[in-house]
Amino acid sequence: QKEVEQDPGPLSVPEGAIVSLNCTYSNSAFQYFMWYRQYSRKGPELLMYTYSSGNKEDGRFTAQVDKSSKYISLFIRDSQPSDSATYLCAMSSNDYKLSFGAGTTVTVRA
Amino acid sequence: NAGVTQTPKFQVLKTGQSMTLQCAQDMNHNSMYWYRQDPGMGLRLIYYSASEGTTDKGEVPNGYNVSRLNKREFSLRLESAAPSQTSVYFCASRGGGNTIYFGEGSWLTVV
Repeated sequence: QKEVEQDPGPLSVPEGAIVSLNCTYSNSAFQYFMWYRQYSRKGPELLMYTYSSGNKEDGRFTAQVDKSSKYISLFIRDSQPSDSATYLCAMSSNDYKLSFGAGTTVTVRA
Repeated sequence: NAGVTQTPKFQVLKTGQSMTLQCAQDMNHNSMYWYRQDPGMGLRLIYYSASEGTTDKGEVPNGYNVSRLNKREFSLRLESAAPSQTSVYFCASRGGGNTIYFGEGSWLTVV
């Protein structure tokens, strides 16, 4: 079993819809949770960062962490075609290494 | 504001050839990383350097060597390339809160 599980999709939604992405994990020591966005043939870029449990909102993006369930989510409101990308979850404990999900490919249809 | 810069962007190698991927960051970060990304496998850590002068193996270090030249630069060397090393390679550095910033990637094909 992988340390971080993420449904690879693909996920296709119409413009304006809410995109819901999630990851589950098995390591209870994880405290730092991140979401990265990766456009085709580009490097991953940090989208959202959350420490420990709770919600964080940044514009159209909301990240949620539920440590009791070992479950994290990313919501994209009012999705745009420019949101079409692969979204990677990542998490770490207090050491130097991140564990990544395999990524979910999202397409927002105009 | 360059961030993490890696070269070359594209490279084709023959089996058995050697090459070095170069990486530099201008964010004054202590920790740097090399990942490879393969379809369905996600990002896998090859080597990392927690600070200048130290390097450690990640999940998939076989066939690779690294050098942390100074605080800014972290290179990845393939001594004898194999087709299984065909991949996209990403260099990264670590900022506050364990956030990692990636370069644009190096596409390597070994034939």
